[in-house]
Amino acid sequence: GENVEQHPSTLSVQEGDSAVIKCTYSDSASNYFPWYKQELGKRPQLIIDIRSNVGEKKDQRIAVTLNKTAKHFSLHITETQPEDSAVYFCAASRGTGGYNKLIFGAGTRLAVHP
Amino acid sequence: GAVVSQHPSWVICKSGTSVKIECRSLDFQATTMFWYRQFPKQSLMLMATSNEGSKATYEQGVEKDKFLINHASLTLSTLTVTSAHPEDSSFYICSAAGEGVSGSDTQFFGQGTRL
Repeated sequence: GENVEQHPSTLSVQEGDSAVIKCTYSDSASNYFPWYKQELGKRPQLIIDIRSNVGEKKDQRIAVTLNKTAKHFSLHITETQPEDSAVYFCAASRGTGGYNKLIFGAGTRLAVHP
Repeated sequence: GAVVSQHPSWVICKSGTSVKIECRSLDFQATTMFWYRQFPKQSLMLMATSNEGSKATYEQGVEKDKFLINHASLTLSTLTVTSAHPEDSSFYICSAAGEGVSGSDTQFFGQGTRL
């Protein structure tokens, strides 16, 4: 069945360092890959997404790369700040956007230490 | 734009009673809404997908008679947990997708309901 694996489950970095979270998906028909940030007790917030016709996308300190052949995609956060501390979820879906169900990874708990 | 409001944010109920949770898209028309369940320190588990005006599609293992979903309009979907029991305690989150959200058709989440 459809599955998204996410690693690592926890990540601890010093402020200013980079953080990388990796996901692998099983459904070769997936072509939309969003990343969500969830702070404790709050809603998931979309931080960046990428579609299969693009290999890389960047938004200020956040970037996502996609390797369709290998079926994996990664989130890169540079110059981390304490406010980046949260749980990050990757997801994958078929279709070109939000009308199709998202399959979520297990999440990565990122801690940025001052 | 792309605001999804969920109500209530938390609810306590007696065993055996039913609880209704509302999910509204405030500034766009949500043709599709999704309901998720999240246990502490775990990922979001999709329960069902609902399209306006039609029956919801439930994921395997989710009891449709237990979790009633109604999507009667383009801005409102409801989840009713019938005969709630302690094992139903969880964080329930909705998301919505639709046109007119700054050109995006991705999913936006409500703030969640802690039951």
